[in-house]
Amino acid sequence: EAGVTQFPSHSVIEKGQTVTLRCDPISGHDNLYWYRRVMGKEIKFLLHFVKESKQDESGMPNNRFLAERTGGTYSTLKVQPAELEDSGVYFCASSHSGYNSPLHFGNGTRLTVT
Amino acid sequence: LAKTTQPISMDSYEGQEVNITCSHNNIATNDYITWYQQFPSQGPRFIIQGYKTKVTNEVASLFIPADRKSSTLSLPRVSLSDTAVYYCLVGDIKSSGSARQLTFGSGTQLTVLP
Repeated sequence: EAGVTQFPSHSVIEKGQTVTLRCDPISGHDNLYWYRRVMGKEIKFLLHFVKESKQDESGMPNNRFLAERTGGTYSTLKVQPAELEDSGVYFCASSHSGYNSPLHFGNGTRLTVT
Repeated sequence: LAKTTQPISMDSYEGQEVNITCSHNNIATNDYITWYQQFPSQGPRFIIQGYKTKVTNEVASLFIPADRKSSTLSLPRVSLSDTAVYYCLVGDIKSSGSARQLTFGSGTQLTVLP
């Protein structure tokens, strides 16, 4: 089966610009998660979708971040306007709806805000 | 949220067995223990998951003592390609409905030497 795919793999933008990251989960996975690692820090949870609904968005850092999951398929994470501290690697993961199903991660999008 | 403690780094030689121990003193009754592996520029990859005693799959074994306050990931006969960061995660997705509690921690950098 195809894995979780993320696009783009790298993005370099200027402070104040907008960037949209995309994640395509594994087909059939109802759960979709966004995580990120900022420079030198640990991987942190951002939010969790179950199908098209936001189950938990407690990890979203502020209202400059907007995540959507159209029709319960792919998801986008928009940062607007981007700030320097948003630089890092953004990971998407998906999983089955089963009990404690393991998360399958994409290779991430490396975002650099200059 | 269950906090985990792992060694920051470990070195080993090809062909040896490697054991990485993770402490999770405040693990909850419903929590599972999951280990992930991460190579540079890739997302974390699921290795193994368990609740108690011993679990074995084609790549690793997971040993969990009766009190479940720690767990040990065992990698038999490591090769150079096993050089990676290994994360121990503790949590229960079903009870909270969220993966927020799956905190990654700093992980253990395993370096396999020739």
